[in-house]
Amino acid sequence: DAKTTQPPSMDCAEGRAANLPCNHSTISGNEYVYWYRQIHSQGPQYIIHGLKNNETNEMASLIITEDRKSSTLILPHATLRDTAVYYCIVRAGNSGGSNYKLTFGKGTLLTVNP
Amino acid sequence: GAGVSQSPSNKVTEKGKDVELRCDPISGHTALYWYRQSLGQGLEFLIYFQGNSAPDKSGLPSDRFSAERTGGSVSTLTIQRTQQEDSAVYLCASSLPTASLRVNYEQYFGPGTRLTVT
Repeated sequence: DAKTTQPPSMDCAEGRAANLPCNHSTISGNEYVYWYRQIHSQGPQYIIHGLKNNETNEMASLIITEDRKSSTLILPHATLRDTAVYYCIVRAGNSGGSNYKLTFGKGTLLTVNP
Repeated sequence: GAGVSQSPSNKVTEKGKDVELRCDPISGHTALYWYRQSLGQGLEFLIYFQGNSAPDKSGLPSDRFSAERTGGSVSTLTIQRTQQEDSAVYLCASSLPTASLRVNYEQYFGPGTRLTVT
């Protein structure tokens, strides 16, 4: 799987949008961008994933650049409960080989401040 | 709906004892995965189940670790003769089946079992 680069930490004011960047310049054509987060002392939580089109669900929006070398996860109205480590993961779309394994890097610690 | 559940949430055991950790996946998720997360570390893959079979046990760190799954649902991870380096959070995840369609579905994680070996 391609590697990702994320800033180690970010701050955001409560109620404002949190924009978390991720670089994945070596992504392959069949690889998706996944985002998970891990709130302290909890298991990782799936947020969203996409291939090349922008995606939105009830939790967040995912914006992928046209060249697919970077993406941004957007939490439109951050709350204190969104404080967590956010992981950007690049993962093949097929489960062949050992592609089903999730490999988490160090992620971005997002701190939402009151 | 109900998510992945794991028990116990915390387990403290003495070095040399055996422990069993349980995972109950989301209903209908035939793929099940075990990972562990040591303090300040990333996730380490342990084992993958498709139904009751484990096509990939490559991440099990030693022969003291074993896992089984019965009825295509609940899975148990057993650690024999625990060592202090086994202390970690053990996470279970499940997903829709990956094998037949070779589609990589998103994995949903349980809350984990925090194992402390004293």
